[in-house]
Amino acid sequence: DVKVTQSSRYLVKRTGEKVFLECVQDMDHENMFWYRQDPGLGLRLIYFSYDVKMKEKGDIPEGYSVSREKKERFSLILESASTNQTSMYLCASSLGDGWTSDSGNTIYFGEGSWLTVV
Amino acid sequence: QKEVEQNSGPLSVPEGAIASLNCTYSDRVSQSFFWYRQYSGKSPELIMSIYSNGDKEDGRFTAQLNKASQYVSLLIRDSQPSDSATYLCAVIRTYKYIFGTGTRLKVLA
Repeated sequence: DVKVTQSSRYLVKRTGEKVFLECVQDMDHENMFWYRQDPGLGLRLIYFSYDVKMKEKGDIPEGYSVSREKKERFSLILESASTNQTSMYLCASSLGDGWTSDSGNTIYFGEGSWLTVV
Repeated sequence: QKEVEQNSGPLSVPEGAIASLNCTYSDRVSQSFFWYRQYSGKSPELIMSIYSNGDKEDGRFTAQLNKASQYVSLLIRDSQPSDSATYLCAVIRTYKYIFGTGTRLKVLA
């Protein structure tokens, strides 16, 4: 089974702090993603990486950065946390590029990290 | 227009009935389509994927894809109270997975 692990499940941080959210996957997947989920807004893509050397902005990258130093690890960084970044953050991984119709395209999620910024 | 649209619900069905969930998407080049179930406070879990036009069945679940009309649906037969959750439709567009905002399903015992 694919395992996507988010090490921090519940965090409370102060405004202005630098926050690191760590994510590790154990299936040698090429692609990794960070989403945030807010009521009524659904899942919104922050950043994704389809190769260790490549990082791409998603739909809402402002205030965030990412690091992917190893294939299995993808970190989300909040440079200076703000209250509007209070949310549930979901890490995910997948194997395929979406252009071939096979099961490798399935995206698998971690359990989520609940971040509260006060 | 949103790239992936779903009715937010709630969709209420009695126990044992068929629940029908619908999703439309705007990008014709989308190739792969997914249904995820998400319980409150939990992360999404995959129910089914579908890539070809037509129906795909897995147990009580049937996914239907119509690329010409750009919609994908999920039927849940013999609905159970444990099926009460939010169902997310997703499509892939060049590595990116685009999710709908989900339909909340309530199965009434």
